[in-house]
Amino acid sequence: EVQLVESGGGLVKPGSSLKLSCVASGFTFSSYGMHWIRQAPKKGLEWIALIYYDSSNKYYADSVKGRFTISRDNSKNTLYLEMNSLRSEDTAMYYCAKGAAFDYWGQGVMVTVSS
Amino acid sequence: DIQMTQSPASLSASLGETVTIECLASEDIYSNLAWYQQKPGKSPQLLIYDASSLQDGVPSRFSGSESGTQYSLEINSLQSEDAVTYFCQQHHDYPPFTFGSGTKLEIK
Repeated sequence: EVQLVESGGGLVKPGSSLKLSCVASGFTFSSYGMHWIRQAPKKGLEWIALIYYDSSNKYYADSVKGRFTISRDNSKNTLYLEMNSLRSEDTAMYYCAKGAAFDYWGQGVMVTVSS
Repeated sequence: DIQMTQSPASLSASLGETVTIECLASEDIYSNLAWYQQKPGKSPQLLIYDASSLQDGVPSRFSGSESGTQYSLEINSLQSEDAVTYFCQQHHDYPPFTFGSGTKLEIK
């Protein structure tokens, strides 16, 4: 059974940093690209980052480029999102998702940026 | 960036009815479109990929189709558990991967 479990969220002040993790199981993690997607409260879905299976390519939404960094450790079946210079508009549920068609999603982790 | 215009934003239908949700892509996305269902407080789940392929485990009352840059999700024989939110998403040209704005389906 495919499982994606995010962690690392919380309440932080504007300008702070936070690092999210997504631990994968039930599939060959090292064979798939992985994504981070977020959803602000009562809002739609916003894709924010993609990393290829071998970390050879990384892509970001303009809204997070230069502030967020996606990475992965295939030996630990873990995806990361390092978030710096957090803003109030980054407040959202953050999901990791597997593969080209986003066929499995984690349960999400909440990040709240507020003073 | 490719824009995905999803309609309607909300929809009310009766049990047993057939409903259609649409997404219009701003350019050709060559069937690289997925539909997701999101229940309240839960993460999205893939229903349809490549515009018309049913994800494993998804009931056959869900179907996807396309006509040019217009993509449709049809739900036949509407059931109470279908009254949730649906999103389309293109994965042809990135970044970014773009989602539609969502359709909230309610039961009359």
